[in-house]
Amino acid sequence: AQTIHQWPVAEIKAVGSPLSLGCTIKGKSSPNLYWYWQATGGTLQQLFYSITVGQVESVVQLNLSASRPKDDQFILSTEKLLLSHSGFYLCAWSRDRGQDTQYFGPGTRLLVL
Amino acid sequence: GDSVTQTEGPVTVSESESLIINCTYSATSIAYPNLFWYVRYPGEGLQLLLKVITAGQKGSSRGFEATYNKETTSFHLQKASVQESDSAVYYCALGATNTGKLTFGDGTVLTVKP
Repeated sequence: AQTIHQWPVAEIKAVGSPLSLGCTIKGKSSPNLYWYWQATGGTLQQLFYSITVGQVESVVQLNLSASRPKDDQFILSTEKLLLSHSGFYLCAWSRDRGQDTQYFGPGTRLLVL
Repeated sequence: GDSVTQTEGPVTVSESESLIINCTYSATSIAYPNLFWYVRYPGEGLQLLLKVITAGQKGSSRGFEATYNKETTSFHLQKASVQESDSAVYYCALGATNTGKLTFGDGTVLTVKP
């Protein structure tokens, strides 16, 4: 069975500080990977997707970046956090980008002060 | 762009009552979108409830059903008799078959009273 793990569970960070959020998928080789973000009271938005190691496509510009250093790992980061980055970050995977279901991780809650 | 509009919550119903959560979509950049209902139960992660990839088809799961209506661009979620355990946040989503991008509605908080 496939499992998806996100870290950390929650973070409180200062404006201007760096951020790194991680996501690992076990039990599935070459998954398609996605990052989503939901501001408090807002809508879930897809930020990035990746179909293979080293390749990431940006969907929404939010002064964030993403990388895929390994087949099973997806990293979301920024060098300088903004207040507007607060919210809930979800990682997801799917078998392909077409009609397949996306499976979501437990999420990371971020508060920027 | 693409968008999804669903019943604004919170929605409160009593156990054994019927439920409908409306969902309409606009797929300006997707010729043949896939439609999904996701659910987040208290303390749990977002999970798929049901999906339909062909217009005119119905999906069902856990007593819930939704029909993909291309004419009315709707994908309403229905259940004949809800249970307290159905209390959750329900999200309607539109999927692009070529990019895998999911466009979500704002979510509907459902509370089922015993």
